[in-house]
Amino acid sequence: QLVQSGAEVKKPGASVKVSCKASGYTFTAYAMHWVRQAPGQSLEWMGWISLGNGNAKYSQKFQDRVTITRDISATTTYMELSGLKSEDTATYYCARNSDSTFDLWGQGTKVTVSS
Amino acid sequence: DIVLTQSPDFQSVTPKEKVTITCRASHNIGSNLHWYQQKPDQSPRVLIKYASQPISGVPSRFSGSGSATDFTLTIKSLEAEDAAVYYCHQSDSLPHTFGQGTKLEMK
Repeated sequence: QLVQSGAEVKKPGASVKVSCKASGYTFTAYAMHWVRQAPGQSLEWMGWISLGNGNAKYSQKFQDRVTITRDISATTTYMELSGLKSEDTATYYCARNSDSTFDLWGQGTKVTVSS
Repeated sequence: DIVLTQSPDFQSVTPKEKVTITCRASHNIGSNLHWYQQKPDQSPRVLIKYASQPISGVPSRFSGSGSATDFTLTIKSLEAEDAAVYYCHQSDSLPHTFGQGTKLEMK
């Protein structure tokens, strides 16, 4: 399973770091992706990390503001988003990639950006 | 980026009805198209991978078809628990993209 950190409230311009702890499978055998969903909206892909070698790739939309990392010993993946704006208010999900699909999802972390 | 356009956006449905949701891609994506179901306040759940391949544990009433730019998700005999939003997702090229969603609401 994937268990994410709790809800966050941040001010514009701040950063947020969301964690995603994996259990029940070999952590490094899969890639982890981050997807967000604004209220009432569709899903939006942010980026992914190879849990084996730590290489990450990001959507061009978030390239300058997002950092995805992992801690193998803690079987945890992190997504940090900086320069928060009100438009970043969303639920953020980690999702395990298996055979090109997202077969296991975290429960979501609600991030609210408000002054 | 590859744009996925679903239709319809919304459908009011009744139990036992056959439902078809379509997803059109802006470019040829082969069979790299997957379908998800999301119920209120839940995370998405994968239903179909590679356009038509079933996922273990998913009821057999869900099926998929299509290739290249046109894809279909079919629910052959709707049950009340199928009220949800359905999304298509392409993994053919980065960035991964999703359709805008199709909401099925029970009458």
